[in-house]
Amino acid sequence: AQTVTQSQPEMSVQEAETVTLSCTYDTSESDYYLFWYKQPPSRQMILVIRQEAYKQQNATENRFSVNFQKAAKSFSLKISDSQLGDAAMYFCAYRSFYTGANSKLTFGKGITLSVRP
Amino acid sequence: DAGVTQSPTHLIKTRGQQVTLRCSPKSGHDTVSWYQQALGQGPQFIFQYYEEEERQRGNFPDRFSGHQFPNYSSELNVNALLLGDSALYLCASSAFRGEGNQPQHFGDGTRLSIL
Repeated sequence: AQTVTQSQPEMSVQEAETVTLSCTYDTSESDYYLFWYKQPPSRQMILVIRQEAYKQQNATENRFSVNFQKAAKSFSLKISDSQLGDAAMYFCAYRSFYTGANSKLTFGKGITLSVRP
Repeated sequence: DAGVTQSPTHLIKTRGQQVTLRCSPKSGHDTVSWYQQALGQGPQFIFQYYEEEERQRGNFPDRFSGHQFPNYSSELNVNALLLGDSALYLCASSAFRGEGNQPQHFGDGTRLSIL
């Protein structure tokens, strides 16, 4: 079974600064997908960024980028130029490649990010 | 384009009662997954429905059951409610034939409180 670990329960960043959220995972599979989701107080889970394990290039989406280290089973999220609207709970999630688009997501416990004005 | 909709938003029940939560998937999606999110925790997978059948199931007791209708909407039923069932219940939809990297789309959830 796959597991996802987010060991930092809370982090804080100054507005306009950069912050990195950590995530590690454990799997015996060689191909899989990794995701970062954001959950603001409104509760809806919003996709931030995704990474295919078979791609060596790290994914980027505007101010969001990942550092994917497959050998170390590490998948960290970097948020540049932090904005007040980035304050939320962030979840790292794993999905198996072999069972396709409908495989279940395995989530970490999440990290609460606060942004100081 | 309507996203995933869930009802009700909030529900209060007492121990031993039964509850039904509802979910309508995003337009174009035919697969519905249900997750339980306890306070301060990450979502835990309950089960998934496609073509009106349960396709995958997480580590949840038989008190948790579901149904999918021909229009792809879904219900989550929980019998004999326990205090530990208090949580946010999230519904997510996806397209069964979609690309593997396509994300599941989530609704706003139903907050279930057990007294």
